[in-house]
Amino acid sequence: DAKTTQPNSMESNEEEPVHLPCNHSTISGTDYIHWYRQLPSQGPEYVIHGLTSNVNNRMASLAIAEDRKSSTLILHRATLRDAAVYYCIPYFTWGAQKLVFGQGTRLTINP
Amino acid sequence: ETGVTQSPTHLIKTRGQQVTLRCSSQSGHNTVSWYQQALGQGPQFIFQYYREEENGRGNFPPRFSGLQFPNYSSELNVNALELDDSALYLCASIPGVLGQSSMNTEAFFGQGTRLTVV
Repeated sequence: DAKTTQPNSMESNEEEPVHLPCNHSTISGTDYIHWYRQLPSQGPEYVIHGLTSNVNNRMASLAIAEDRKSSTLILHRATLRDAAVYYCIPYFTWGAQKLVFGQGTRLTINP
Repeated sequence: ETGVTQSPTHLIKTRGQQVTLRCSSQSGHNTVSWYQQALGQGPQFIFQYYREEENGRGNFPPRFSGLQFPNYSSELNVNALELDDSALYLCASIPGVLGQSSMNTEAFFGQGTRLTVV
């Protein structure tokens, strides 16, 4: 399994952009990079995923480094509802399609 | 709203007992995975079922077992409960088929079942 390194916690202010970094230096060429978040007392929620190019959706943007050894999840305008634990997960399916969750980054949003 | 429902939401059991947790996936999602999340930790993969057959297991003993049914429902069974089995149990359903194409899809998680073993 590819290993990931994320900051344990980050803090930001409401309506400001947030950049959540992730290092995944052991990722293979065929692993997609997925991001999930988990709000308090809820199951994980899909945020975004990508392979090589930067990706955008209605929730966030994903910037993937050219060497694919790191990526950054960008929340363009944080709201209080974005306070959650964010998990960066290299995802492969040789065998079971398991998501290997690390400790994630706990994001706090200040009003 | 992910369309994945789990029951019950909370459960208290005594050490040594057996428990069955249930998950209802979205129609058409042939793959279901189960995860255990201890307090303060990320979810840990227990096993996965594809079209009613187990096709992958994490580092969990055989007393953790499962079933998947043709109606897109599934069960997680845990025998001989131990205090350390206290956790949030999550199911996740994935659309489509196994293989590389599935890496390009998202997993849909339920809200989880909070199991407390006393």
